[in-house]
Amino acid sequence: DAMVIQNPRYQVTQFGKPVTLSCSQTLNHNVMYWYQQKSSQAPKLLFHYYDKDFNNEADTPDNFQSRRPNTSFCFLDIRSPGLGDAAMYLCATSRVPGEETQYFGPGTRLLVL
Amino acid sequence: SQQGEEDPQALSIQEGENATMNCSYKTSINNLQWYRQNSGRGLVHLILIRSNEREKHSGRLRVTLDTSKKSSSLLITASRAADTASYFCATDITGYSTLTFGKGTMLLVSP
Repeated sequence: DAMVIQNPRYQVTQFGKPVTLSCSQTLNHNVMYWYQQKSSQAPKLLFHYYDKDFNNEADTPDNFQSRRPNTSFCFLDIRSPGLGDAAMYLCATSRVPGEETQYFGPGTRLLVL
Repeated sequence: SQQGEEDPQALSIQEGENATMNCSYKTSINNLQWYRQNSGRGLVHLILIRSNEREKHSGRLRVTLDTSKKSSSLLITASRAADTASYFCATDITGYSTLTFGKGTMLLVSP
């Protein structure tokens, strides 16, 4: 089945230790998104890629970076995780921008010790 | 500040009853979408309604949109225990699919 896959489902890292979360998709969608969702809060868009074009939200901290080496994969890098970065990180895709539904992966729950 | 605000924050009903959730937003939108999230999982798209539409149906779901009041409602009819989840509205201001989500309504359907 075509889908959005996130690995790992749970990630534990230490304060200040760089961590990378991965997302892959078999939908061949052009757009990939990363959201941060803290407990009992709304998902918050961090950035998205339209093909190779990177679009950063204005209030996304510099600590968060992303890479998209090809259509299928997208990575979220947190350079120096703080305790406040503990959250669920959701990857999503859409075929094209504009009036399109988004397809979400199951998320990676990040714990920072 | 947040674009979408859901109301109520939590809703508890019995199987077979209808559940209504409301969403208010602050600025003009291109479209509004509703998503469901089961505990600790990703979001699942339910329905999209465009700014020039007033009502849409999908199975047991009915969504209305009132752009003059900047509000939307999601009605789930004949609810089932499997409908237990959090429901989020998300607004697309630009038509570029950059969504702003509300905090969600937690729905509990008891057998």
